[in-house]
Amino acid sequence: AQSVTQLGSHVSVSEGALVLLRCNYSSSVPPYLFWYVQYPNQGLQLLLKYTSAATLVKGINGFEAEFKKSETSFHLTKPSAHMSDAAEYFCAVLNTGTASKLTFGTGTRLQVTL
Amino acid sequence: GAVVSQHPSWVICKSGTSVKIECRSLDFQATTMFWYRQFPKQSLMLMATSNEGSKATYEQGVEKDKFLINHASLTLSTLTVTSAHPEDSSFYICSARVYGQGSYEQYFGPGTRLTVT
Repeated sequence: AQSVTQLGSHVSVSEGALVLLRCNYSSSVPPYLFWYVQYPNQGLQLLLKYTSAATLVKGINGFEAEFKKSETSFHLTKPSAHMSDAAEYFCAVLNTGTASKLTFGTGTRLQVTL
Repeated sequence: GAVVSQHPSWVICKSGTSVKIECRSLDFQATTMFWYRQFPKQSLMLMATSNEGSKATYEQGVEKDKFLINHASLTLSTLTVTSAHPEDSSFYICSARVYGQGSYEQYFGPGTRLTVT
């Protein structure tokens, strides 16, 4: 079964600084990978997804992620953090097969400071 | 974009009572819906997968008699927490899946916070 590991449960950056949230995957087949954002007391919103097309995926709110097979990584980046980016971010992999299900990482809380 | 709604957004109930949570896909039909549970500061844990018109498939460790799921139509799934206890207090999130543009799209509801007193 596929899985994802998010390194760093908490990341703090200054406003305007680079955001880097790490996600590594484990999969024996080409994975479908996702990044979701969750604001307090809300559901999840899809930021971007990788579905074996372009390895650099651009998402909403200025976020992007690069699929690197050699590193089994799918890190999320944003060149300049904004206060409104403070939230919980989840990496997920779609477990393919007859019961396709998303498996989520443990999440990374992004704090943005002035 | 596709919208998934949940009702209620929060509910407080007494121990021993049952609570029903509705999940609706507002502008699309979803053959598959998912129910997740999220504890504070933790990730989402899949509870069950439901397909319209058939019985839900529960994840290991989830009591199907306690968490009743009904997926009566392509736009509505319900989760009923029966004989609720304080340990059932949690944030419940539903999600609806649709296949489009060559891949699955999964949309999440805003969640329902259940507090059992």
